[in-house]
Formats: sequence, structure tokens, C-alpha cells
Amino acid sequence: DADVTQTPRNRITKTGKRIMLECSQTKGHDRMYWYRQDPGLGLQLIYYSFDVKDINKGEISDGYSVSRQAQAKFSLSLESAIPNQTALYFCATGNLGDNEQFFGPGTRLTVL
Amino acid sequence: GQSLEQPSEVTAVEGAIVQINCTYQTSGFYGLSWYQQHDGGAPTFLSYNALDGLEETGRFSSFLSRSDSYGYLLLQELQMKDSASYFCAVANTGFQKLVFGTGTRLLVSP
Repeated sequence: DADVTQTPRNRITKTGKRIMLECSQTKGHDRMYWYRQDPGLGLQLIYYSFDVKDINKGEISDGYSVSRQAQAKFSLSLESAIPNQTALYFCATGNLGDNEQFFGPGTRLTVL
Repeated sequence: GQSLEQPSEVTAVEGAIVQINCTYQTSGFYGLSWYQQHDGGAPTFLSYNALDGLEETGRFSSFLSRSDSYGYLLLQELQMKDSASYFCAVANTGFQKLVFGTGTRLLVSP
């Protein structure tokens, strides 16, 4: 079984809809991250969390919100989706003292 | 702010050696990481440098010069499966988060 899973893997939605992307991990890591990747670009950090009570904004948090429901679960919400939020979204995990992040398979989101 | 620069594309032939450079401007620098991403796949960790010098892991090596704000990834004995995008990423103080470059697409031809 994959250590970091994301659901859904693909989603097509319409402008103005509320969307939630979910991430779960079985690695036992404290830290979880949400990134966005646009074609030809690197990964941009949206939000990150170091534990259930800790949420931090990344570079591009506007238009997004997150919830850390448990150590193993970190969800990303788009309250009112817009077309320029069409992108590939990755969840990642890591641990304090580690220099590696482990990425989920990604969610391809299309906003029409 | 933080910014990283790397070439957009590099081409090479099987068996060759290729170097992908990364220059960065950042505050609170902690280390430089490299990730590989195949088309349609997730980024996977390759290496991390916190100190100046060369780190070797099999066919891949990574170098860092903190005084020059510069690093590179060296890939030896290139194979077709090495065709992918390679991202450098700066870790800030305390390794709280990573800032990624825009990536270098490596095309390996027969």
C-alpha cells in the first residue's frame, strides 16, 4: 500500500464550486504539506502543518484553506473554485530532523 | 524573498555525464535538495546538501557552495530512464519548508 495517498486522483469541476482534496499518510510523519504545480513550473507551497494544532500559510495560500483532522490526514479546500486554480496538487509528508519529503501521487484538478 | 534559477532543458546521450546547475537567492538558508519527477509522476527525493562539497549516491552526485549560493546535480552513465524533470529546492532555517526551482527537463537520447 502507498505510504501517502491522495483522493481524488482526478477531478473536473465548475467555477464557484467548493472542492476538497484529501491526503492520508501511513508513514507516521508529523509534518504535512500541500503544493501546487502548474505546467512547466516548480512546486509552490500552499499550506503546511507541523502537527494537528499547527497550520501555516505558504507562498500561495489565497483562495485555499486546509484542515489537519488527525496526524495522518490533511485536507485542502477550494471554497469557490476558479479556472486559474486548474493545476496538479501534491501532498507531501516529512519529519522533524529529516531532510526528505515524501510526495503523494497527486490530484489533477480542472476548473471549468 | 527567495528565488532559484536552473536551466529549463538539458539534452544528452546515453552513457554521457550531465550537470544541472542551480543558483539561489534566499534568506535563512539551511540546505539544498534535489528531486526527480517523471512525467505524470510525483517528485522523489534524490539528495540533500547542508555543507559545502560533493555528496555521492550511486550514479548521482550533488554539490553545494554556500559562499557562491550555487549547487549542481551531476548525473553519470546516463540511462534512458533518467529522462525526467529535476528540481532544486532550498530548505529554510530549521528545515521548516522547501522552496522549489522551476525545474530542468533532461532528455536522454540513444
